[in-house]
Amino acid sequence: EAGVTQSPTHLIKTRGQQATLRCSPISGHTSVYWYQQALGLGLQFLLWYDEGEERNRGNFPPRFSGRQFPNYSSELNVNALELEDSALYLCASSLEAGDSYGYTFGSGTRLTVV
Amino acid sequence: QKEVEQDPGPLSVPEGAIVSLNCTYSNSAFQYFMWYRQYSRKGPELLMYTYSSGNKEDGRFTAQVDKSSKYISLFIRDSQPSDSATYLCAMSPSGTYKYIFGTGTRLKVLA
Repeated sequence: EAGVTQSPTHLIKTRGQQATLRCSPISGHTSVYWYQQALGLGLQFLLWYDEGEERNRGNFPPRFSGRQFPNYSSELNVNALELEDSALYLCASSLEAGDSYGYTFGSGTRLTVV
Repeated sequence: QKEVEQDPGPLSVPEGAIVSLNCTYSNSAFQYFMWYRQYSRKGPELLMYTYSSGNKEDGRFTAQVDKSSKYISLFIRDSQPSDSATYLCAMSPSGTYKYIFGTGTRLKVLA
């Protein structure tokens, strides 16, 4: 069974640009979660999508947005990039919405803003 | 004060040692407790989860929750170099999904 896949693996952008990150969940999983892992800060919850709808978002500005497609894959968009947006962005999926028994994470997209 | 506190390490131990990794937390609403292992350049993988208080054992790993002290631990017996990774604790209030993660402890097991 394929795990959670994320693309691209690495992304380098200039301050002010937009970045688009993609995630494909495990087959059959309908919930997708996005986390930011910045150096020294641990994983910070960004967004939760389920059945195509945004269910909740963390304490991040509106320039962090995303969507979930009918096939349950998801996209995270970060507009007006700032240097502090440099981090590992992790996507996770779960079989049940808001699953409390642990996620399956992808390997992440390393975003570097210069 | 952070909701979840975790010593960043690094923690270096010789092969075969018993490792103790710990997290403290401040929110008494947390009911679900998890430990993830994250190898370099990889996403976290779920190792253990426990609900409420008590112990749970899985092979060389034991997770312990002490809700009265707001303290959780992960013990690794007979540690191996392949256990070298960052260990993250994560917690969630009952009935919700939004996990709060610790910053992770880097573990190095020396051959």
